[in-house]
Amino acid sequence: SAVISQKPSRDICQRGTSLTIQCQVDSQVTMMFWYRQQPGQSLTLIATANQGSEATYESGFVIDKFPISRPNLTFSTLTVSNMSPEDSSIYLCSVEEGTGARGYTFGSGTRLTVV
Amino acid sequence: QQQVKQSPQSLIVQKGGIPIINCAYENTAFDYFPWYQQFPGKGPALLIAIRPDVSEKKEGRFTISFNKSAKQFSLHIMDSQPGDSATYFCAARILRRGSTLGRLYFGRGTQLTVWP
Repeated sequence: SAVISQKPSRDICQRGTSLTIQCQVDSQVTMMFWYRQQPGQSLTLIATANQGSEATYESGFVIDKFPISRPNLTFSTLTVSNMSPEDSSIYLCSVEEGTGARGYTFGSGTRLTVV
Repeated sequence: QQQVKQSPQSLIVQKGGIPIINCAYENTAFDYFPWYQQFPGKGPALLIAIRPDVSEKKEGRFTISFNKSAKQFSLHIMDSQPGDSATYFCAARILRRGSTLGRLYFGRGTQLTVWP
């Protein structure tokens, strides 16, 4: 399976500031996904990022709040902008490797706390 | 609207027991059904997956049973161990229109505790 490195692993941020989360994959992948997982909850897809095109956002998520970059086939960033305590969550990067044994692989996540 | 409904929310079993987690869906366009295991502080890890043309798949102690007509699938963990204590998520994939790539919809998760 692809190995995903996600940085930072955790952070505590002041409200009103922004945080950029990085996701590095050890192989080239077409699609990268960003999820939010609130404590004890399921995973909610924020957006899908394809290299060379605008990210596709899910209902309830907007580019101004969660801008995404995808400069190449191995890297993506998610920025959480103008943060509020409601943004406190785990943010996960994921890649698609097909539907065989590898499936969809996830990074270890970024645990964000906004104070 | 929850695309994939998962139950129970939590499950406690004794070591050696066989916990069963159930999921149901409505959208017949789903074409791939994975199960993920997540430990605290970690990202979800693929456990086992099945396609809708197969009724059962077994990998080690983990088995998926799939009932296409009922639109249900379940995870069985044989001879459960304390190390299996984790949160389990079922998911279903749908292809994007005109693409061979898709996205996953997740169930709400099941917190499994296996007592020694």
